[in-house]
Amino acid sequence: DAEITQSPRHKITETGRQVTLACHQTWNHNNMFWYRQDLGHGLRLIHYSYGVHDTNKGEVSDGYSVSRSNTEDLPLTLESAASSQTSVYFCASSEKNTGELFFGEGSRLTVL
Amino acid sequence: LAKTTQPISMDSYEGQEVNITCSHNNIATNDYITWYQQFPSQGPRFIIQGYKTKVTNEVASLFIPADRKSSTLSLPRVSLSDTAVYYCLVGGEYNFNKFYFGSGTKLNVKP
Repeated sequence: DAEITQSPRHKITETGRQVTLACHQTWNHNNMFWYRQDLGHGLRLIHYSYGVHDTNKGEVSDGYSVSRSNTEDLPLTLESAASSQTSVYFCASSEKNTGELFFGEGSRLTVL
Repeated sequence: LAKTTQPISMDSYEGQEVNITCSHNNIATNDYITWYQQFPSQGPRFIIQGYKTKVTNEVASLFIPADRKSSTLSLPRVSLSDTAVYYCLVGGEYNFNKFYFGSGTKLNVKP
């Protein structure tokens, strides 16, 4: 079955280090998204992509970057991790432009 | 950016029907209404989507009045496994990237 996978599932890093979270989907979806979810809150959009070589900033993009070199992958990079970026990160993909998103299982990042 | 308002939490008992209402006064003509379910330590899962009137699938029904300024997710005969956070989202073909998840409604189903 087609799926969307995130790695690593858990990561502890230090302030100032570069961190990359991977997202891989096998549905061949054009649209991919990164969200973060903080304790007791909903999801906030970080970056999104409508296709290869397309990237766009979301609501909370400062300190994050993405690149889309193929259809299947949208890695999220924290250039210099900060404690405020401690969160659970979810990747999602979709084909239709009507809001049916398929989410990964999440990556829990702790920045010490 | 169409935001939504939902109750923070709701309690129910097994076997009851649960209705969660969402307000979206600024919904645009092209916007759909979409509901997601999220269990702890998991990503949200799509439940149901509609544009107007009533939509039903194997897990839920979605009721949308004519003015579309609100919607109601109906879960028939809930079980303990329906305990989760439910998100109401509004967005459509040209702005779905701007989905606002909010804090959702925490449904607690008791035995």
